[in-house]
Amino acid sequence: DQQVKQNSPSLSVQEGRISILNCDYTNSMFDYFLWYKKYPAEGPTFLISISSIKDKNEDGRFTVFLNKSAKHLSLHIVPSQPGDSAVYFCAASYNAGNMLTFGGGTRLMVKP
Amino acid sequence: DTEVTQTPKHLVMGMTNKKSLKCEQHMGHRAMYWYKQKAKKPPELMFVYSYEKLSINESVPSRFSPECPNSSLLNLHLHALQPEDSALYLCASSRGGTYNSPLHFGNGTRLTVT
Repeated sequence: DQQVKQNSPSLSVQEGRISILNCDYTNSMFDYFLWYKKYPAEGPTFLISISSIKDKNEDGRFTVFLNKSAKHLSLHIVPSQPGDSAVYFCAASYNAGNMLTFGGGTRLMVKP
Repeated sequence: DTEVTQTPKHLVMGMTNKKSLKCEQHMGHRAMYWYKQKAKKPPELMFVYSYEKLSINESVPSRFSPECPNSSLLNLHLHALQPEDSALYLCASSRGGTYNSPLHFGNGTRLTVT
């Protein structure tokens, strides 16, 4: 059973516009959520996280929104840049645990 | 540059070989991890070390043997692997303890088993 799902395998956005990546989860025990970016032949790079006590966290061009009632989180990138083109994974954990559960990833392509 | 360093970057080994993957971090993190990633799939957890002790083994076959010599180093010893074990092997570290903290990943070792 996939506890963290990213239902869009790919997303294409024009440079300068907003990119919105979505993630759904089923385990209500999750209390810490993260987004990672991955380029080919590199490891995932941590982008931004959010604790379940918050509904929004912002870091520069990246904002993560958490809707606990809907068990949904999203990553907004504004403005999108060609260098943002990568695979984005959402991940979740609980009880300050060491086990991250990853979604399947969304490939973002930002066109110049 | 990643703060988690993995060596080698690429490894080709036969099914009868013995090899080791190495990982090093100097961020003072007390939790270290091995993940396996196949193409077009998310990373899958293999092992977790917390304060140099193995705390999680996700039912990984015994042909994979982890070792944590000290708080900065993590090894993965490989023996009698199968071609289906070919994958990107990722090491990661985090603060550990009772804190929510992100994992920081290395760039991985691309392993090919022939």
